[in-house]
Amino acid sequence: DSGVTQTPKHLITATGQRVTLRCSPRSGDLSVYWYQQSLDQGLQFLIQYYNGEERAKGNILERFSAQQFPDLHSELNLSSLELGDSALYFCASSVDEGNTIYFGEGSWLTVV
Amino acid sequence: TQLLEQSPQFLSIQEGENLTVYCNSSSVFSSLQWYRQEPGEGPVLLVTVVTGGEVKKLKRLTFQFGDARKDSSLHITAAQPGDTGLYLCAGGYNFNKFYFGSGTKLNVKP
Repeated sequence: DSGVTQTPKHLITATGQRVTLRCSPRSGDLSVYWYQQSLDQGLQFLIQYYNGEERAKGNILERFSAQQFPDLHSELNLSSLELGDSALYFCASSVDEGNTIYFGEGSWLTVV
Repeated sequence: TQLLEQSPQFLSIQEGENLTVYCNSSSVFSSLQWYRQEPGEGPVLLVTVVTGGEVKKLKRLTFQFGDARKDSSLHITAAQPGDTGLYLCAGGYNFNKFYFGSGTKLNVKP
């Protein structure tokens, strides 16, 4: 158990819909990262927050957005979902930038 | 196009054999990490290397960072079934933006 909690673990939704994935980082961790893992693209970095502020952006689509709240939990919002958005979405956290990143168990999203 | 190319993509070996997996890029990274991921779980960090030419050992696993900080290798001695998993390398810039390779799926048969 990495200490990073993600909900929901599994989610099935229809194309065009919107979902929110939630992440609680390890206690004391200020930095939160979101990754997408699919069979054809591997593990792709989406976005990173540090103490509520966006710090780095990767291959995140405009239909996706994220935020980190004052209590340091984070949400990833996926809208206008397409079949290709089906993937495993990981949240990870670290105490500070440059420290070990701990991954959660992921949220399986299936778009039908 | 992957920033980091890992090879081989798949590897199936017998218990006790040695193996090496590779992680190559045309980019220079400030650090490189190796992870192992098991089905249904998130990746777990094995090691971080930051200095060109650096070699780190973790029991039967030996990690090497290329002199130019563009590539890395992971060598496993006397592989065991418990080593089975997806091995991912990740190159980092400024320690907050890591790009992952597509991984090497290792299966160690008893």
